[in-house]
Amino acid sequence: DQQVKQNSPSLSVQEGRISILNCDYTNSMFDYFLWYKKYPAEGPTFLISISSIKDKNEDGRFTVFLNKSAKHLSLHIVPSQPGDSAVYFCAANYNQGGKLIFGQGTELSVKP
Amino acid sequence: DVKVTQSSRYLVKRTGEKVFLECVQDMDHENMFWYRQDPGLGLRLIYFSYDVKMKEKGDIPEGYSVSREKKERFSLILESASTNQTSMYLCASSLSRLRQARKLFFGSGTQLSVL
Repeated sequence: DQQVKQNSPSLSVQEGRISILNCDYTNSMFDYFLWYKKYPAEGPTFLISISSIKDKNEDGRFTVFLNKSAKHLSLHIVPSQPGDSAVYFCAANYNQGGKLIFGQGTELSVKP
Repeated sequence: DVKVTQSSRYLVKRTGEKVFLECVQDMDHENMFWYRQDPGLGLRLIYFSYDVKMKEKGDIPEGYSVSREKKERFSLILESASTNQTSMYLCASSLSRLRQARKLFFGSGTQLSVL
């Protein structure tokens, strides 16, 4: 039972354009959401997060949007850069300390 | 910077062997986690620990055990390795305070192949 789903295994965008990565969840108890970024041969690194009391959080080129009624969140990267090419994991948590539930990941490729 | 170190980058073992994966963190984090990453399945939690000598099962604990004798070290043990345990294993740590607990710091991973 996949509680956090990333239905697009891959995404390709042109440098300078917007990248939109999507994530859906099923458990309405989740109250905190995170995005991690993973380069090959490295562990995932924290990118940005959002609490369920908000619907948007912005950090530089990265913005996460949360739609609780649709149980959907998205990560926007504007403008996209070749160095953003990586696998992006969506994760969720519900007041259980650090236990995170991850999605399957989306591989983003930003072409020059 | 937080550093989470996994002892091996690549490991090849035979079916039935007992396998130890070691993880050490240097930031005095209370929480430690073991995940495995498989294509199409993302990261799945195997075991975690919120304190020394304490452990809790994650979503896929079957065939694994863990040991946390010291705060900085969290070991994953495959009691009798099987081919379906071929995977990338990722260790992570975090602080115990709730807002920080959710921000995990990961090691670089150990790619285990069981033949």
